[in-house]
Order: sequence, then structure tokens, then C-alpha cells
Amino acid sequence: QVQLQESGPGLVKPSETLSLTCTVSGGSISSYYWVWIRQPAGKGLEWIGRIYTGGSTNYNPSLKSRVTMSMDTSKNQFYLKLSSVTAADTAVYYCARVSRGIDYWGQGTLVTVSS
Amino acid sequence: QSVLTQPPSVSGAPGQRVTISCTGSSSNIGAGFDVHWYQQLPGTAPKLLIYGNSNRPSGVPDRFSGSKSGTSASLAITGLQAEDEADYYCQSYDSRLSGTWVFGGGTKLTVL
Repeated sequence: QVQLQESGPGLVKPSETLSLTCTVSGGSISSYYWVWIRQPAGKGLEWIGRIYTGGSTNYNPSLKSRVTMSMDTSKNQFYLKLSSVTAADTAVYYCARVSRGIDYWGQGTLVTVSS
Repeated sequence: QSVLTQPPSVSGAPGQRVTISCTGSSSNIGAGFDVHWYQQLPGTAPKLLIYGNSNRPSGVPDRFSGSKSGTSASLAITGLQAEDEADYYCQSYDSRLSGTWVFGGGTKLTVL
């Protein structure tokens, strides 16, 4: 059974960089697309971007200038960096796997942007 | 403003049938891209409910069904149960936005 777990600071200061790690267990990340999605409190889902084996990426155009995704197949992990954060970036961040739809999700991690 | 439009809320009594619509355009659903549906129970991560327009993953009851026509898709839930009360999201791909994945704004289902 594939499992995903997000980790990283729960509090980030404005203008700094948000950094999250997604650790995948129960399967290799050396195939499939892997995505980051976020959800502000009480609001809907927003796709941040996706990464594929080999490092090819696609980002949400509204976040593209601030987002970097990467992966480390030796650690079975992939990563999210979001720079120059503001309060509007406060949300629950999910990492997930794409197969036929987004079939495996992490439990999500709340990241609050505040000084 | 979501690229895919869903009604903010729907409701139904136990045992009834409800449908949730997802309206897109010629650059996403109308272009032939698959629609997927997710159920999000309060305080939990979303769960894949329907993939590829009308397919159910293993373990999803056949009370849930999906369809697609033109620039729209629909999720139908029959035999409503209290445990179906949740938020539901559609998701597809948009060729106009540099290959962006897009979500609907979500629909809150209330079981009366």
C-alpha cells in the first residue's frame, strides 16, 4: 500500500521560503507523476505543480515564478519550495500520486505564514 | 473563480439521488480530457471517487457514478447515506493554461 507523508515547518515568516518534503513508502517514486496541492482553510483545492521521474516539471501559472519542485529517487522523496510567501500562502499542503486520477494522498500539513 | 464550475451546495434526503455538475470549456472537458472526482470528508484528505470520467476505484460503492458530455461532467450519488455528507471536487486538465491541472470549486453535499 502506497503511503505519502508531508513534513516541514508549520510556520514560515512572510517573504521567506516554504520548504516541504514528501516521503513515499510502499512503492517507488521512479514512475508516475507526483503532485503538490494546497487548500486554504474553508476553501477549495489548488494544484501547485507536478514532477515526473527525471525531474520534468509543470507548475500552476499563477505560482510558477515562485515554485520549485524536485525529487530524490534514492530517498524516495520529492520536494516543494515556494518563495516569497505571504499570508495568502497559508494552507494545508498535500502531496499526492497521479495514476488514474490522483489516487494516493498524504494526510496534509498545515503551513501558516506569519511573523 | 475556478476554471471548472460546480454548484456550491446540493442536498438530499437519505435514500434519494443527487447529482453534482462540473462545467468546463473547450480547452478542458470539451477538449476530451478526462474528469476525475474526489470526496473530502471533514478534516481529511481528498479521496479518489471516480477516475477517467466514469470509472470507480476498487472499494468505491456503485452508488457513485460519473458521466461526461460535451463541456460538462456529472457525479451521481444514489441511495444517499449520512456518511456521504462531504465536499466533492471535479478535476481535469486544461490545455490553454500551459498544461495546468484544474479543480472545480467544490460542492458541499448535505444529507438532510
